[in-house]
Formats: sequence, structure tokens, C-alpha cells
Amino acid sequence: GAVVSQHPSRVICKSGTSVKIECRSLDFQATTMFWYRQFPKQSLMLMATSNEGSKATYEQGVEKDKFLINHASLTLSTLTVTSAHPEDSSFYICSARDWRGSYNEQFFGPGTRLTVL
Amino acid sequence: GQQLNQSPQSMFIQEGEDVSMNCTSSSIFNTWLWYKQDPGEGPVLLIALYKAGELTSNGRLTAQFGITRKDSFLNISASIPSDVGIYFCAGQPGWAGGYQKVTFGTGTKLQVIP
Repeated sequence: GAVVSQHPSRVICKSGTSVKIECRSLDFQATTMFWYRQFPKQSLMLMATSNEGSKATYEQGVEKDKFLINHASLTLSTLTVTSAHPEDSSFYICSARDWRGSYNEQFFGPGTRLTVL
Repeated sequence: GQQLNQSPQSMFIQEGEDVSMNCTSSSIFNTWLWYKQDPGEGPVLLIALYKAGELTSNGRLTAQFGITRKDSFLNISASIPSDVGIYFCAGQPGWAGGYQKVTFGTGTKLQVIP
């Protein structure tokens, strides 16, 4: 089946630093990847949609200059949290859509737990 | 914006019991999805529903796409300990042929007592 990986799985950083999270589709090509944020005991909230070779589309209320997304290849998208602050601490999950598969199926990564001190 | 409300918010059941949970929306969705999320993991798709009134099964799981297109139900029969997790409904507003944004529900936390 389609596998999506994320790296790192956990990261702790100091306030003011930047953190990069990678999302990879391991056995398929993903023209579209998605980034979600999930706070404890809450649902997944879509942050942005990332299309290979073009600019990401951000959801309302998500700062594009703070959450930089790059989708440089069909198997890799990165999310960089710039100048991280404690309120950015969350579980970040990516998903990828296999261009050959069902238009509505996304395969989710295992998530990255970010803690900003 | 669109909101998906799930109920119950959480539930404790005895192993072997059947479970029902539902999801309601303030607006119409034309695709309904049900996911399960284990602690510290990403969601895994359980069932996808594409047509109003559709009833689809996946093993012990059965889900239905409501006639009004504003609700969906998930049933789990004969629960087992590994059913523990958070179940999310999700909806997509559009029709087949293109991608539409997925909106997730508020989640139902299921705990199974052996």
C-alpha cells in the first residue's frame, strides 16, 4: 500500500529557532501533499495544500511567511516553521495524494510532534 | 465555514459490544470518509462513501452516507481491544473528477474494556 513518512517524528527546539519537517511518499508519486496541524484532543486542521512545482495554497488564518512549504519533487514536501514560539507546539501531520489513485484518498504520515520551549 | 460534529465525544464499551457513532454537518458533503487515529500516529482511512444512502462495510465496520448528505454513521460490531482509538469522520464537498478539500470532524474517542 501507499506509505508516507515524516521526519523527524519528534523535535524539541528553543523559541525563535526554525524547524523543518519533511514529508515523503515512499512508493508513489504525489502531485499534491497536505499539511495539517492537530492540537491535543482536537481534530486535524488543514494548514495548506502543496502542489509539486507551484506555490502552496494556505488556509485562512495560516501565515504563509511563518509556515514555509516547499514541494520540490513528486515525493517530497517540506514544512518549515520559522521563528517558532511555544504556541506553535503541536502535532503536524502531512498527507499525500497518489495521482494514479482514487481522487479522494489521502495517505497520512505518522506525524511530527513539535515542542517549542 | 463548514463544521462536522461527531457524537458521542467519547465512549467506554465492553469488549464484544457493538458501537455506533455519528457525524453531522451544517452543510452538504458529497463524499464522506471515516478514519481511525491511534495515539501519536496519522489517521488511517477505514471507509469511503460516495453516494447518498450508500451503506458500505469493511470487516466489522459499517458506514452509511445519510440521505440528506449532511450526516454519516459508523458502526463497529463485536468490538475488540484493538478498536481503541479516535475515530474521525471527514467530508468532501465536491463531486468525482477532481480533488476537494477534506474537512475533519471533532472525533469520537473509543475505549474498549476487556
